[in-house]
Amino acid sequence: EAQVTQNPRYLITVTGKKLTVTCSQNMNHEYMSWYRQDPGLGLRQIYYSMNVEVTDKGDVPEGYKVSRKEKRNFPLILESPSPNQTSLYFCASSFLPGRAANEQFFGPGTRLTVL
Amino acid sequence: KQEVTQIPAALSVPEGENLVLNCSFTDSAIYNLQWFRQDPGKGLTSLLLIQSSQREQTSGRLNASLDKSSGRSTLYIAASQPGDSATYLCAVSPPYNQGGKLIFGQGTELSVKP
Repeated sequence: EAQVTQNPRYLITVTGKKLTVTCSQNMNHEYMSWYRQDPGLGLRQIYYSMNVEVTDKGDVPEGYKVSRKEKRNFPLILESPSPNQTSLYFCASSFLPGRAANEQFFGPGTRLTVL
Repeated sequence: KQEVTQIPAALSVPEGENLVLNCSFTDSAIYNLQWFRQDPGKGLTSLLLIQSSQREQTSGRLNASLDKSSGRSTLYIAASQPGDSATYLCAVSPPYNQGGKLIFGQGTELSVKP
């Protein structure tokens, strides 16, 4: 089954404790990205990657890091989480942007709470 | 700057009713428009994708239309069921040099009552 998976699905942590949220896709997509969803602010892009070893900042990259060492994986790293990073996080993937038939697929989400 | 608006923000209908959700966008330069469904606290499920050259797409009881020149899309749900209760989001795909991100509306929260 074609899918985007994220782990963990739920995480409660404390300020300053480094964490990684994993994302994996099995559709051989070049493009992957991370969004966060907050009430009243909607979905905002954090980082994206056009291919292996090619990453760039989205609209709200502060406090986050990413890496793309393999095509299928795109982990999101919070080196020193703060309470304002409490949010619902989504990973997405697709073939390279710029084609009208290009559909983006989203993972199930990771609910992160930083105390 | 592309902006996407969905009206109404919330909608409550009795079971069996046909309904229309609206999505408008300010810049007609898009590759496509996607409609998603989100259950509370859950992921985004892609419902329909309409390419910029298309006028509509259908999947089961769902029909989405696109009028790019006027910056509007509608999602028509026929014979609504309680299981359709969810938040529906539309998103447009802007030109390539904007990092491939989707621009989302705020969503319409639909409640279908038995």
